[in-house]
Amino acid sequence: EAGVAQSPRYKIIEKRQSVAFWCNPISGHATLYWYQQILGQGPKLLIQFQNNGVVDDSQLPKDRFSAERLKGVDSTLKIQPAKLEDSAVYLCASSLRAGGGYNEQFFGPGTRLTVL
Amino acid sequence: AQTVTRSQPEMSVQEAETVTLSCTYDTSESNYYLFWYKQPPSRQMILVIRQEAYKQQNATENRFSVNFQKAAKSFSLKISDSQLGDTAMYFCAFTSYNNNDMRFGAGTRLTVKP
Repeated sequence: EAGVAQSPRYKIIEKRQSVAFWCNPISGHATLYWYQQILGQGPKLLIQFQNNGVVDDSQLPKDRFSAERLKGVDSTLKIQPAKLEDSAVYLCASSLRAGGGYNEQFFGPGTRLTVL
Repeated sequence: AQTVTRSQPEMSVQEAETVTLSCTYDTSESNYYLFWYKQPPSRQMILVIRQEAYKQQNATENRFSVNFQKAAKSFSLKISDSQLGDTAMYFCAFTSYNNNDMRFGAGTRLTVKP
């Protein structure tokens, strides 16, 4: 079974530029998550999708971050414009269903973003 | 709001020995899940072990076991017979019983020395 795929693995941009990250979850997984992991910290949930609908985006900085999952499969996270403090690893995860912790989340390898 | 706090930023252990990583959490909920995740340099988060709060028995997965103290809100991970491949960042995490909004602590860097 293929795991969660993410691209690119690394991205370096100047502040105020735009950037997009792509995630393809495990086949059949209805729930998709985007996390931001700043160096030295644990991941922080940005947004959770159930199929193509948003379940929770309370921690997404909506003035500059956006995410979509149009067909309920793969997803794109965008930052526009980027700030220095957006430098982090962006992790995508998926689970078979939403709900509690009995639905294991499987993580992708992440995209390391550096904003100069 | 739920919070998760790791106790030690860094730890080291000799190969084949036992090490315990500690974590505390705060919640007002009675049912929830606790997790330990491993993150090697490749960055991919890997689930090590999961504990359901309503279960009295501590979870065990091969060389990994937990000491779950619900009243004290502590959740420690014991790694027995440490191997070089156990070198990684370890994160304690929490989710509510019916919500998969996972909250992570800051992580403990574990180094296994040959």
